[in-house]
Amino acid sequence: AQSVTQLDSQVPVFEEAPVELRCNYSSSVSVYLFWYVQYPNQGLQLLLKYLSGSTLVKGINGFEAEFNKSQTSFHLRKPSVHISDTAEYFCAVSADSNYQLIWGAGTKLIIKP
Amino acid sequence: EAGVAQSPRYKIIEKRQSVAFWCNPISGHATLYWYQQILGQGPKLLIQFQNNGVVDDSQLPKDRFSAERLKGVDSTLKIQPAKLEDSAVYLCASSLRTASSYNEQFFGPGTRLTVL
Repeated sequence: AQSVTQLDSQVPVFEEAPVELRCNYSSSVSVYLFWYVQYPNQGLQLLLKYLSGSTLVKGINGFEAEFNKSQTSFHLRKPSVHISDTAEYFCAVSADSNYQLIWGAGTKLIIKP
Repeated sequence: EAGVAQSPRYKIIEKRQSVAFWCNPISGHATLYWYQQILGQGPKLLIQFQNNGVVDDSQLPKDRFSAERLKGVDSTLKIQPAKLEDSAVYLCASSLRTASSYNEQFFGPGTRLTVL
């Protein structure tokens, strides 16, 4: 079975500063990895995904993530955050046996002006 | 292209009452998911449909929750009777198919249920 751990429930950061949101997973099989964003009172939107190939994945809104198989991590990064990035970010994993998503608990990104 | 539609957006009920949520997936999407998202947690899959058949309902509390997708398009999730711990956001998602490859899930805005 797969599981996902998001190590930080909240991450405060100043506007225009860089940010990293951490995600670790456990699985005994090959997995696909995802980051979703949830803006206040909205549904979940796919930010980026790793299915195969290059371990550095670029997504929307300037975000990127790096798949590290040895450390079983998929951390999300952005070099310079904007107030509009205020949202909750969820890491998820799925195995190629059923493609169902297993979710982390989420990290709230709080942008300080 | 229209996204996943859900209604109502908000619902407040007393415990032991019944409630129903509706979801209309993206046109042409064969797979439909219902998730429960409790405050401070990630979404938990309740049930997954492929067309009008159930693929997985292992985490659906069947003593009080039921769901149907009679014509393979829109779906209804019902809770009867509701308990305080059912307070959550109920998310519906759809994807093209799941049988043999990854397909992106698209989410609706959710229904926020408060049980008093």
